Amino acid sequence: GAVVSQHPSWVICKSGTSVKIECRSLDFQATTMFWYRQFPKQSLMLMATSNEGSKATYEQGVEKDKFLINHASLTLSTLTVTSAHPEDSSFYICSARRASLEDTQYFGPGTRLTVL
Amino acid sequence: GENVEQHPSTLSVQEGDSAVIKCTYSDSASNYFPWYKQELGKGPQLIIDIRSNVGEKKDQRIAVTLNKTAKHFSLHITETQPEDSAVYFCAANRGSTLGRLYFGRGTQLTVWP
Repeated sequence: GAVVSQHPSWVICKSGTSVKIECRSLDFQATTMFWYRQFPKQSLMLMATSNEGSKATYEQGVEKDKFLINHASLTLSTLTVTSAHPEDSSFYICSARRASLEDTQYFGPGTRLTVL
Repeated sequence: GENVEQHPSTLSVQEGDSAVIKCTYSDSASNYFPWYKQELGKGPQLIIDIRSNVGEKKDQRIAVTLNKTAKHFSLHITETQPEDSAVYFCAANRGSTLGRLYFGRGTQLTVWP
């Protein structure tokens, strides 16, 4: 159990377009989902915390108007990169925390975004 | 906030040897310490975790020890295999309702056959 999926696994887009990434908890309900960004050979950088039914909490320095997060249900959160630019190219990873086990986070497989 | 330090940044061992990765944390309120394994191009996978009311936990070839007084915890992998090669991240959770994890910088483990 505790499987988290992401879609798409990779995406290439032109500069100026918007890209939506989905994160789903497949076999459990997730009251909280987290979005991370990871650069090559670096650690995970938390972008925002998403609670079902409420607005996301963004980390300092993360533009909330550029990285739109929606957590509409207990199994789905989406991250939309608006007006993407080459510097937004990165590996985006979500994680989900089970409602019943508050500490444990399970990660998705990640989405590789390349902006041309 | 919490600060997690992880050492070493790279570790090379011969197959069959043991590997140890160490982490320290700064916030005495942290009470949950997971370890993740990340293979190239994939998301992190939880391999073991420990809570502050336990000093040691073992799962087959993997073990984690926690010293709350010294604020450090370690990952021990015995009888290493080439498939253990990956980046390992330690993390700490302050136990708040938000559940945010603070990560170390990672250790690239290479196991040579």
